[in-house]
Amino acid sequence: QSVLIQAPSASGTPEQRVTISCSGSSPNVGNNYVYWYQHFPGTAPRLLIYNNNQRPSGIPDRFSGSKSGTSASLAISGLRSEDEADYYCASWDDSLSGVVFGGGTKVTVL
Amino acid sequence: EVQLVESGGGLVKPGGSLRLSCAASEFLFSSYTMHWVRQAPGKGLEWVSSISSGTSYIYYGDSVKGRFTISRDNAQNSVYLQMNSLRAEDTAVYYCARDTHGSGKMDFWGQGTTVTVSS
Repeated sequence: QSVLIQAPSASGTPEQRVTISCSGSSPNVGNNYVYWYQHFPGTAPRLLIYNNNQRPSGIPDRFSGSKSGTSASLAISGLRSEDEADYYCASWDDSLSGVVFGGGTKVTVL
Repeated sequence: EVQLVESGGGLVKPGGSLRLSCAASEFLFSSYTMHWVRQAPGKGLEWVSSISSGTSYIYYGDSVKGRFTISRDNAQNSVYLQMNSLRAEDTAVYYCARDTHGSGKMDFWGQGTTVTVSS
């Protein structure tokens, strides 16, 4: 059981907007930044969002992040077939003194 | 171009040991916290360990505490993971990643090295 809770799957049709949620608690999401990673199996994960809602250079603005209290979310607008991947939230946990990941959400483009 | 290249993975028997290496290039390695993150077959990403730029701060996940040791050599631009008392559940792809702040912002990852623990 992961410390950060994500739904195992999400789906949408091309051009739709998909939202992935990440539920944590005070020591992690509530008190620290949230990061989002995109992972295609067999490849290196990629940082999508940092500091709750910031995009690294090269990440399309179709990807956006937000945080409220102990929950965070990642939105993918204008869904594309190449967005089919696993998405993970992560945060530092003050109680565990370590990084905690969500269980991951597999996004399928229908 | 930033590069992180992991090596040292392989097949090892339960109870055995393995040392992973991660060679960094094209960035100021000594300024970054480094992490090891793993993914077991069919599972999600799991943080394993991190070491700060000057080695002052070292942390481990509960599942590896007391068995794994992280270290780094800034002169060699490398980070290591010594894995002892290996178990079947340590079977995974192990990634190294760099972190600007030490808080989980892993902005660049290696391609991973596979560790299989089996008799």
